[in-house]
Amino acid sequence: DGGITQSPKYLFRKEGQNVTLSCEQNLNHDAMYWYRQDPGQGLRLIYYSQIVNDFQKGDIAEGYSVSREKKESFPLTVTSAQKNPTAFYLCASSRIGQGRTDTQYFGPGTRLTVL
Amino acid sequence: AQTVTQSQPEMSVQEAETVTLSCTYDTSENNYYLFWYKQPPSRQMILVIRQEAYKQQNATENRFSVNFQKAAKSFSLKISDSQLGDTAMYFCASTVAGGYQKVTFGTGTKLQVIP
Repeated sequence: DGGITQSPKYLFRKEGQNVTLSCEQNLNHDAMYWYRQDPGQGLRLIYYSQIVNDFQKGDIAEGYSVSREKKESFPLTVTSAQKNPTAFYLCASSRIGQGRTDTQYFGPGTRLTVL
Repeated sequence: AQTVTQSQPEMSVQEAETVTLSCTYDTSENNYYLFWYKQPPSRQMILVIRQEAYKQQNATENRFSVNFQKAAKSFSLKISDSQLGDTAMYFCASTVAGGYQKVTFGTGTKLQVIP
């Protein structure tokens, strides 16, 4: 089955630690995205990538970092610089092309809690 | 910049009845897409329906349909014959057509289907 996987489902972090959230897709999508979801708010874009070895900051990139070494993978690192990292994190992917807009499909998410 | 507003934080509907969720948006673009996503308790974001702004015909998908009023910048979702499995958060979203697509999400409406 094609889809997007995220791991782990739940993640606990001590203050001052960096943690990495995994996102893998086998849909052959070019673009991948990371969103943060907080209670009472919609999804906010952290980072996105349209092609391997290239990525751009979204609306709330401070305290986060990403890499895109493979088309299928787009891991997100939550650094100690992120002041309030407890949230639900969603990864998404989509096809992308000239003049074409395609729907974003989402993974199951990772719940990060800072202890 | 795009904005998406969902003014109903919570709604409820009796099983088998019809319910309409409201969404308004603002954009300066002429060519854009609108979406409704469903997020059940599992928290997986699932695409419900998609509307292309240049199409006048309202999109439908089984029991789900939209009322797209372009001049009023309104995009409501109608769920007919509500089922218990429709209980979820519903997010309205918009994106500009073409190339990279930054999706802007509303804050969501929590729908409870009552047996």
